[in-house]
Amino acid sequence: NAGVTQTPKFQVLKTGQSMTLQCAQDMNHNSMYWYRQDPGMGLRLIYYSASEGTTDKGEVPNGYNVSRLNKREFSLRLESAAPSQTSVYFCASSRQGASNQPQHFGDGTRLSIL
Amino acid sequence: AQSVTQPDIHITVSEGASLELRCNYSYGATPYLFWYVQSPGQGLQLLLKYFSGDTLVQGIKGFEAEFKRSQSSFNLRKPSVHWSDAAEYFCAVGAGSSASKIIFGSGTRLSIRP
Repeated sequence: NAGVTQTPKFQVLKTGQSMTLQCAQDMNHNSMYWYRQDPGMGLRLIYYSASEGTTDKGEVPNGYNVSRLNKREFSLRLESAAPSQTSVYFCASSRQGASNQPQHFGDGTRLSIL
Repeated sequence: AQSVTQPDIHITVSEGASLELRCNYSYGATPYLFWYVQSPGQGLQLLLKYFSGDTLVQGIKGFEAEFKRSQSSFNLRKPSVHWSDAAEYFCAVGAGSSASKIIFGSGTRLSIRP
């Protein structure tokens, strides 16, 4: 039972390079999320998808784009990576809406931008 | 807007001692409250949640939390900690029907003294 799977687990990029982080869930959840985690700042929501075919901005969307490819998959793209985007990125899913549903998290992608 | 404060950045307790991690929230109505745990190198795992009803909720791994509306608090407790409890703990608050409306605290890192 995989739950939420993120790839890759680690990545180093140069400033200006582009990259797509992949996320897939096998729990038939409707809602999916991308967070970034930085020391002392908890998790901050980048984008979310309440259901297949919809995406919305979270707290820190600048510099990112997302695609809800189908119900299972939700990708995060950095078009032109910047050092400020060095972070640990987590994908999560929930059955329906975050506010009253527990979220299931992947193990994270550790991204360094040089 | 809702917010979450975890006033303790780092706590160290001896193995076998009791534990209380503090969480204060700000929200006008009854919130949805969560505690998550993050082991090193992993994603977040739900420990427990409060939506309504009994203000003392039981979670996994022997944890419990008490919702106190008068103090706007949702503190996490465990009677006797084990070395395996060393991790980072996040309190989160959800509000409303919007899928984006969940806010995480900045976390409390728990270390266990042998």
